[in-house]
Amino acid sequence: KQEVTQIPAALSVPEGENLVLNCSFTDSAIYNLQWFRQDPGKGLTSLLLIQSSQREQTSGRLNASLDKSSGRSTLYIAASQPGDSATYLCAVSRENTGFQKLVFGTGTRLLVSP
Amino acid sequence: DAGVIQSPRHEVTEMGQEVTLRCKPISGHDYLFWYRQTMMRGLELLIYFNNNVPIDDSGMPEDRFSAKMPNASFSTLKIQPSEPRDSAVYFCASSPRDLGGTDTQYFGPGTRLTVL
Repeated sequence: KQEVTQIPAALSVPEGENLVLNCSFTDSAIYNLQWFRQDPGKGLTSLLLIQSSQREQTSGRLNASLDKSSGRSTLYIAASQPGDSATYLCAVSRENTGFQKLVFGTGTRLLVSP
Repeated sequence: DAGVIQSPRHEVTEMGQEVTLRCKPISGHDYLFWYRQTMMRGLELLIYFNNNVPIDDSGMPEDRFSAKMPNASFSTLKIQPSEPRDSAVYFCASSPRDLGGTDTQYFGPGTRLTVL
């Protein structure tokens, strides 16, 4: 059974800091890995999707890397802003269950203070 | 596009009552997903459809839960009878036809269900 863990569970940083969120998964036979953002009381918004053959993806101040063999991914946020405050979830899809079936991590709750 | 639409946004009911949650996916999307989010278990996939056909319902917790998709623009998740442990936020998501695993899922705002 695929298990996805995110560390830390919560993180508080001052504005302007660079930070790294971690995601680990137990079964390396994944199809892709995604990072989502969830604001309080709202649904999830996709940030980045990395296919299993890729090593990283970038969007603006966000960079996600994937090390499939070791079962790890990191989300790097540069020059953090108060608007980045949210819960960040990673999710993987497994090769043997199809790319549409996602298993989500436990999330990291980020607070960026002005 | 208005995005994925869910109704109601909040539902409070008493144990034993029937609850129906509704979802309108993004037009043109082939896949529809129902998720449940709780503090204890996180975000879990309950069931998903492809072109209105249920593909995988292995996440449905028990027979009290049922989901239907009568057409491409509407789906329901029904709980009958409801129990306090069903209290959670239920999300609907949709995604387009995806041949290469490069498309993500688009989530609705969720329905917060409280069963007293």
